[in-house]
Amino acid sequence: EDQVTQSPEALRLQEGESSSLNCSYTVSGLRGLFWYRQDPGKGPEFLFTLYSAGEEKEKERLKATLTKKESFLHITAPKPEDSATYLCAVSGNQFYFGTGTSLTVIP
Amino acid sequence: DGGITQSPKYLFRKEGQNVTLSCEQNLNHDAMYWYRQDPGQGLRLIYYSQIVNDFQKGDIAEGYSVSREKKESFPLTVTSAQKNPTAFYLCASSFTSDSEQFFGPGTRLTVL
Repeated sequence: EDQVTQSPEALRLQEGESSSLNCSYTVSGLRGLFWYRQDPGKGPEFLFTLYSAGEEKEKERLKATLTKKESFLHITAPKPEDSATYLCAVSGNQFYFGTGTSLTVIP
Repeated sequence: DGGITQSPKYLFRKEGQNVTLSCEQNLNHDAMYWYRQDPGQGLRLIYYSQIVNDFQKGDIAEGYSVSREKKESFPLTVTSAQKNPTAFYLCASSFTSDSEQFFGPGTRLTVL
């Protein structure tokens, strides 16, 4: 059965404390893996698309990587404005979303 | 300025009433989607459409209906048959069914 699992469910970091969020997936015929940021009460904001193992994408303090079984979203020296829920999704037979990691960055 | 718009932002409904949520996009995307988001849960697919005049049920279509008469528009009707409609509703669109989806700002529906 196709599924997407994100961990941890919640993460609290001190400002400047780097860390990684995990997205594990089992899907038949991966066509793409996507990362989104969602602020409370708003729609998800698209961040990255990864298509194949070994691929990496960067944007400011965020870097997404992909292996054959999982993806990581690395956050380097986070700031309070990085606080949000980060969603992972995969495209296989259909689109599957994970339940997200709620990130809080404390000043 | 391209994007996806949803209206209204907040909607209140009395039990037994049907309500329609609007979703419009000017990104020239072929595919459009409706999701429901509840606290602590992931996005659940209600309906999707890959082309005008065609749409398919998602995982939780019961109590909902859609139409796709124009490429730009994909309205969602929440009927009185939906037993627990209070939720945050998100519309999305993409070029193809495999590509990244772009989301609207959402509509929060509350049943009184």
